[in-house]
Amino acid sequence: GAVVSQHPSWVICKSGTSVKIECRSLDFQATTMFWYRQFPKQSLMLMATSNEGSKATYEQGVEKDKFLINHASLTLSTLTVTSAHPEDSSFYICSARLWGGGSEAFFGQGTRLTVV
Amino acid sequence: QKEVEQDPGPLSVPEGAIVSLNCTYSNSAFQYFMWYRQYSRKGPELLMYTYSSGNKEDGRFTAQVDKSSKYISLFIRDSQPSDSATYLCAMSAQTGNNRKLIWGLGTSLAVNP
Repeated sequence: GAVVSQHPSWVICKSGTSVKIECRSLDFQATTMFWYRQFPKQSLMLMATSNEGSKATYEQGVEKDKFLINHASLTLSTLTVTSAHPEDSSFYICSARLWGGGSEAFFGQGTRLTVV
Repeated sequence: QKEVEQDPGPLSVPEGAIVSLNCTYSNSAFQYFMWYRQYSRKGPELLMYTYSSGNKEDGRFTAQVDKSSKYISLFIRDSQPSDSATYLCAMSAQTGNNRKLIWGLGTSLAVNP
């Protein structure tokens, strides 16, 4: 299957700092990547859809100035949590679709962010 | 009413049992159906992907889609302790690369040795 690599797998940062999370499709081209947030024992919450070379589309209620998404190439998308606060602590997961593929999405291993 | 309903469990079974997981949905336009397995603190892993109605089998896993009842199932035969995880159903209706997946809450499964 297609491999999506997400880095880092966990990060602890101080309140007020920014954190960047990378998502790479290793063996395929992904014109579309998705960023999710997941709280303990809850399902995935879509934050934004990231298209290569264009602005991301954010879901209602997600602050685009706080969660900056860049999808500069067909294999890399980044999510930057700016001026992080403790309430931003969560599990962030990216996923990608094969270009020209079906509806199935392949996920990275997730990033656990803890803001102290 | 949520678009996708899934009983969160937890579901506990003995090793070797047949496990039945299911989701119901309300949007008749859904055509693509997926089952993912998620271990604790990991990203979801795609298990099964089906289009429209019918059955699909892969090893110990069988996915069923009944569009007339708006009901999908995942069966796990000869369940193993390593199958202990959360199982999420997902589905979508649109075409094109931006089509969103609509997720169930996930069912927590524990297979006891």
